[in-house]
Amino acid sequence: DSGVTQTPKHLITATGQRVTLRCSPRSGDLSVYWYQQSLDQGLQFLIQYYNGEERAKGNILERFSAQQFPDLHSELNLSSLELGDSALYFCASSGNGYTATNEKLFFGSGTQLSVL
Amino acid sequence: AQTVTQSQPEMSVQEAETVTLSCTYDTSESDYYLFWYKQPPSRQMILVIRQEAYKQQNATENRFSVNFQKAAKSFSLKISDSQLGDAAMYFCASFPFGNEKLTFGTGTRLTIIP
Repeated sequence: DSGVTQTPKHLITATGQRVTLRCSPRSGDLSVYWYQQSLDQGLQFLIQYYNGEERAKGNILERFSAQQFPDLHSELNLSSLELGDSALYFCASSGNGYTATNEKLFFGSGTQLSVL
Repeated sequence: AQTVTQSQPEMSVQEAETVTLSCTYDTSESDYYLFWYKQPPSRQMILVIRQEAYKQQNATENRFSVNFQKAAKSFSLKISDSQLGDAAMYFCASFPFGNEKLTFGTGTRLTIIP
């Protein structure tokens, strides 16, 4: 168990809908990362938050947004869903958000999103 | 831009034997971390081993070790005494200092033959 909790584990929805994925980082970790894993794109970095502020952005679509709350949990919002958004969405957390001597990323078990 | 290349989509090894998974990377940063992650059928991403680029000594974690060749930008993973539980997708990843973004390779599917 990595200590990173993601809910829900599975999500089935229809095109055009909006969903919210939730992530609770490991206790004490300030930084949260979101990744998308799909068959055609592989593992893609979406966005990173550190202590409530956006720190880095990757290949995140404009239809997607995220935030990190004062209690450090994070939510990834996906809207106007398309078939191609079907993927496994991972959250990862790490300590201080800066690459430090012992920096490691620990991943949650992911949310499998199926858009029908 | 960072790139990570895993040229072996699939590998297989006899149980108890040794296997090496290859990875090459490209980064313009001088300081970075390199990782190997394992993804079993459960889909959980599990950290296997990490290497700091500024360290010349190759990292080891029990049966897992790396061969880090900085000049060649090569970072291979050696699994000794392979066990059935090692069967998984293995991803190589780079994480440059100051970039805060983990870039993954396309993965190598490892099969263990009993």
